[in-house]
Amino acid sequence: DQQVKQNSPSLSVQEGRISILNCDYTNSMFDYFLWYKKYPAEGPTFLISISSIKDKNEDGRFTVFLNKSAKHLSLHIVPSQPGDSAVYFCAAVSQGNLIFGKGTKLSVKP
Amino acid sequence: DVKVTQSSRYLVKRTGEKVFLECVQDMDHENMFWYRQDPGLGLRLIYFSYDVKMKEKGDIPEGYSVSREKKERFSLILESASTNQTSMYLCASRDPRTGPGELFFGEGSRLTVL
Repeated sequence: DQQVKQNSPSLSVQEGRISILNCDYTNSMFDYFLWYKKYPAEGPTFLISISSIKDKNEDGRFTVFLNKSAKHLSLHIVPSQPGDSAVYFCAAVSQGNLIFGKGTKLSVKP
Repeated sequence: DVKVTQSSRYLVKRTGEKVFLECVQDMDHENMFWYRQDPGLGLRLIYFSYDVKMKEKGDIPEGYSVSREKKERFSLILESASTNQTSMYLCASRDPRTGPGELFFGEGSRLTVL
């Protein structure tokens, strides 16, 4: 049973516009969430995180929103750049370990 | 900067061979992890270790074992490789004192089993 779900396998966005990547989770006990970015043939790199006591965290062009009642979080990238093209993984912390979603492949077109 | 180094970027092995994947981190992190990444399946946890000599099964440990004899080194072992173990293997480390989630990943080892 998938506890962290990224229902969109792919997303295509024009350069300069907003990219919104979505993630749903099923376990209300999750209290910390992260986003990772992964380029082909490289390991994932940490992007941004949010604690369940917050509903928003911002870092430059990246903002993560958390809606606990809906068990939903989203990553906003504004403005999107071609270098943002990568696979984005949402993750939740459970008992000290990370549970990852299946990823969303973002393509930012010039 | 934290560096997690995986010994082999690309390996090709035959069915039944024993395979060793080595991982070394240079930041004195206590926690280390092995994941595999497959298209459409995301990252799945194979084994993890919260300290030297300790190891715990993750979500998909079948067909794998691990060794953590030194703090900086975490090895993944495939005793008898099979074609369904063709995958990208990712090692990660974490300092549990700095937060619950942030993992530092190596560049990955792409294993092909023929």
